[in-house]
Formats: sequence, C-alpha cells, structure tokens
Amino acid sequence: AQTVTQSQPEMSVQEAETVTLSCTYDTSESDYYLFWYKQPPSRQMILVIRQEAYKQQNATENRFSVNFQKAAKSFSLKISDSQLGDAAMYFCAYLNNAGNMLTFGGGTRLMVKP
Amino acid sequence: GAGVSQSPSNKVTEKGKDVELRCDPISGHTALYWYRQSLGQGLEFLIYFQGNSAPDKSGLPSDRFSAERTGGSVSTLTIQRTQQEDSAVYLCASSLEGNQETQYFGPGTRLLVL
Repeated sequence: AQTVTQSQPEMSVQEAETVTLSCTYDTSESDYYLFWYKQPPSRQMILVIRQEAYKQQNATENRFSVNFQKAAKSFSLKISDSQLGDAAMYFCAYLNNAGNMLTFGGGTRLMVKP
Repeated sequence: GAGVSQSPSNKVTEKGKDVELRCDPISGHTALYWYRQSLGQGLEFLIYFQGNSAPDKSGLPSDRFSAERTGGSVSTLTIQRTQQEDSAVYLCASSLEGNQETQYFGPGTRLLVL
C-alpha cells in the first residue's frame, strides 16, 4: 500500500514571498501520478498541479511549481509571489497505477501574512 | 461547464438513522469516487465506479456503507444505522475515465451524527 507524508502541519509566508511545502511518499510502483490539491474553507478541493512519474521535467502552473525527486520519493510544492488567496489547506496526493484511488497526505495549513 | 455537485451541503442526523448523500459528476465523466474526510483519519478512499464495471468497494469501512450509481451518472452513498464516528465530510470526485485521469472534486457533504 502507498503512503503519503506531509511533515509540516502548518506553514506561514509573507505576502509576495516564496514558500515550499514538503511531501514524501512510499510506493513500490514505477508508474504513478502525483498531485497537489488546495482546500480553502469552502471545502472545495481544487487541483493545483499534477506530475506524471515518468516525466523528468518538473510541472509548473503559473506561480506554482514542483520539485519532483523520484529516487528520493519527494514531491514538494513551491508557491512564488504568495497571495492572500493562497491561504488554505494543501494536500499532496498519490494516484496509483490502476488509477482507481487517491492516497492523501495529512495536509499542510498555509497562512499568508499581509 | 458545471462542476461536481453534491447534496445536501450539510446533514445533521440522530444516531441510528439512515442517511443518503448524493453526487452529480461532471457531464461526460465516466469515473466517480467517494472519499471521507474526518479529523481523526484524514482523507480516505471509500468507493470507485468506472463505467459499467463492478465498483471497487475496498475502502468502505463497514457493511453499513453502500453506494450505487444509476445510469452511469448520479451516485448515492447510503449510510445505515449511523454512528457518531460516521461524522465527517463526504467528498465526491469524478474523472474523464478511471485510468490515471485527474479527479475533480465536489464541495462535499458535512455529516454530523448526534
């Protein structure tokens, strides 16, 4: 079974600064997908970014980018030019090769200070 | 287009009563997933539907939980004889197909069992 670990329960960043959220995972599969989801107080889980394990190039999506280290089983999220609207819970998630279920980390609460 | 919708948004029930939670996936999405988000257990996979295939029920915590998907679209998650530990947010997601496609989430139903 896969496990996903987010070691930072809470993080804080100053508006316009950069912050990195950590995620590690454990799997015996070689082909899989990794995601970061954002969950604001509205409860809606919003996709931030997706990474295919077979791709060496790190995914980027505007101010959001990842550092994917497959050998180390690490998948961190970097948020540049942080905005007040970035404040939320962030979940790292692993999608297995069968594609039938996501395994989530425990989440990191990100606070953005004005 | 319209996203995943869930109803009711909130549900309060008494211990021992049955509840039904509804999910309307994104139009055209053939795969549908149910997850549970609780304080103690984080985000857990419950069940997965893909087209006309038999559902993957491996995440259902007990036989009090069941789900069906009629006509390959709307899904209902039923919890019989609710217990206080069933209190959680129940999230539904859908994807274009089941295999390694990004899952898009609804706003969830918050269930409180008194």
